Amino acid sequence: EAEVAQSPRYKITEKSQAVAFWCDPISGHATLYWYRQILGQGPELLVQFQDESVVDDSQLPKDRFSAERLKGVDSTLKIQPAELGDSAMYLCASGRIQDTQYFGPGTRLTVL
Amino acid sequence: KQEVTQIPAALSVPEGENLVLNCSFTDSAIYNLQWFRQDPGKGLTSLLLIQSSQREQTSGRLNASLDKSSGRSTLYIAASQPGDSATYLCAANPFGNEKLTFGTGTRLTIIP
Repeated sequence: EAEVAQSPRYKITEKSQAVAFWCDPISGHATLYWYRQILGQGPELLVQFQDESVVDDSQLPKDRFSAERLKGVDSTLKIQPAELGDSAMYLCASGRIQDTQYFGPGTRLTVL
Repeated sequence: KQEVTQIPAALSVPEGENLVLNCSFTDSAIYNLQWFRQDPGKGLTSLLLIQSSQREQTSGRLNASLDKSSGRSTLYIAASQPGDSATYLCAANPFGNEKLTFGTGTRLTIIP
């Protein structure tokens, strides 16, 4: 069964450093999502792509976060510089419009 | 703005019991509602998706219902097993927008 792939699974970094997360969606899924989940809370959407275009990035802190999906397939989420409050699980999901979203295993980020 | 609430935050029941998890949402204009399972430190697994025109969906021992008029959904788990222990999240999907709004989840523990 096809799955959403994410790497790395865990990342520890120091404050002010740059970090990047990678996501490879399920083949054929045009829609890709990046969510942030703080411990004990539900995921919150950061950015949504339809193919290579950003559909919604209203909750993305654009002063330090960036996301791209250049060829409409895999995607990278970057944080520069990282802050203590960025410690969270970063989840990638893919799907077809108005259908179930399939989630990857996530990247656990710890900022020291 | 859509708000999704899940009560209780945690629930412990003996193995073999039937149980109900609750989800409420403030805006009834939803396209669908989804239930997910999340194991500790892992990504989300889709359990059931209920379209706005449907009243319920079933998968094995799981049954999810939707009452848009009252802004409520329930997830019924029959004959609970220790392997059902996880956090269960519901998410509302609004019209014309795939941006899911998640509840904070119910952490379920099945006692052997």
